Amino acid sequence: GAVVSQHPSWVICKSGTSVKIECRSLDFQATTMFWYRQFPKQSLMLMATSNEGSKATYEQGVEKDKFLINHASLTLSTLTVTSAHPEDSSFYICSASLARTDTQYFGPGTRLTVL
Amino acid sequence: DAKTTQPPSMDCAEGRAANLPCNHSTISGNEYVYWYRQIHSQGPQYIIHGLKNNETNEMASLIITEDRKSSTLILPHATLRDTAVYYCIVALSGTYKYIFGTGTRLKVLA
Repeated sequence: GAVVSQHPSWVICKSGTSVKIECRSLDFQATTMFWYRQFPKQSLMLMATSNEGSKATYEQGVEKDKFLINHASLTLSTLTVTSAHPEDSSFYICSASLARTDTQYFGPGTRLTVL
Repeated sequence: DAKTTQPPSMDCAEGRAANLPCNHSTISGNEYVYWYRQIHSQGPQYIIHGLKNNETNEMASLIITEDRKSSTLILPHATLRDTAVYYCIVALSGTYKYIFGTGTRLKVLA
C-alpha cells in the first residue's frame, strides 16, 4: 500500500515552453501533497505544500507564478513549470500524506531537461 | 535549515550491520524521527519512524536515545542493494513539511 506515482518519469522540452507533471496517490487519499526539487549531488529542497481544494503554500524563494500547483482532488496534484528555462532542469519529486497518519510517501520523481 | 546532522558517508561490509547515526539536539517533544533512503535517481523510500520508543520493522531498527537528541538506524544485515543516501528527518507528522539535510551516503562493500 501507500503508492505514489508520477507522470511523466522524464521529459525534455524547449526553452519557453510549459511542462506539466502529475502526482497521484494510487491506493489512498492524500489530504496533503508536497513538491520537491533536487539538483545533481544535492539534497531534496521543498518547493511547496498543497492541501486538497486550497491554494498551495510556497517556500521562500520559489516563484508561485512560475511553478503552478493544483491539488484538485484527494488523489491528484499537478506541478506546471511555466516558460521553462535551462536552469529549471532538475529532478522533481512529489510526496503525499494521509490525514491522521504519520508518514509521507514519495513518488519516483520526474527528470526535467530544458534545452 | 535541517534540524538534523549526519555523517556525510559511511562504508559497511556486506552481511554486517550498518549503524547510521543522526543528531537532532533541538527536537521538540512532539516531533517524530523519520528515516528515508534514496537510491540513485529514485524518490526517497520510507524506512522507519519513531517518537520515543525504539522501533523495528522488516527493514531496520530505530534506536532513539532517552533524551531524544540522537538516534541510530540499524540495518541488521546490509546487502549491496542497501547502498543509498540515508536521510534522517524530524517533523511533527507526515502532514507537515520535511526539511532534508545532506544525509549519509552508505556504501555496502562486497
